[in-house]
Amino acid sequence: EADIYQTPRYLVIGTGKKITLECSQTMGHDKMYWYQQDPGMELHLIHYSYGVNSTEKGDLSSESTVSRIRTEHFPLTLESARPSHTSQYLCASSDAGGRPNSPLHFGNGTRLTVT
Amino acid sequence: AQTVTQSQPEMSVQEAETVTLSCTYDTSESDYYLFWYKQPPSRQMILVIRQEAYKQQNATENRFSVNFQKAAKSFSLKISDSQLGDAAMYFCAYSLRRDDKIIFGKGTRLHILP
Repeated sequence: EADIYQTPRYLVIGTGKKITLECSQTMGHDKMYWYQQDPGMELHLIHYSYGVNSTEKGDLSSESTVSRIRTEHFPLTLESARPSHTSQYLCASSDAGGRPNSPLHFGNGTRLTVT
Repeated sequence: AQTVTQSQPEMSVQEAETVTLSCTYDTSESDYYLFWYKQPPSRQMILVIRQEAYKQQNATENRFSVNFQKAAKSFSLKISDSQLGDAAMYFCAYSLRRDDKIIFGKGTRLHILP
């Protein structure tokens, strides 16, 4: 069962709305990530965090923002949703204290549709 | 640019048979890690197998094994005795030891035929 939780699972929202995708993990992992995944395509890293108050942009430019106020929580916010933001968003975490390049633990994802 | 290429968008295999999924990657570095992740339909992505580039021995996990050819930059996944539960998208990925960010391929959708 998932130790990393994403809500909502599905979201349909109108253009211009502000949305926050939630991600929480109960494993105490320091590292957390947000990936964007379009159907049939690879995952693109859009944000990551190596600990509280640490956030970085990933390789794919994104209009979203993230925050990391608590270790277990890594929400992603879109201030003004657009149809181009329609995609699946996957949250993941890994154990910084473990082996180098520890494997990722993924949530179930949020499938976002902006109309 | 660092890339991961999975040349087979879809594959099918008969239940109980063996299937091999291909993956090549491009990097000029020598110290990195390779992964295969599995994403079942409507379920979370999970790690299948992990290989450290400095280890010549191919990693194995029960019915899953890899053929790691470092010089050719090839990292294929072999699934033996395929089961219905193996049906999923499989993503090849790698990360540099110094960087820790994981780069994914586009995935291969595997169908298991009963």
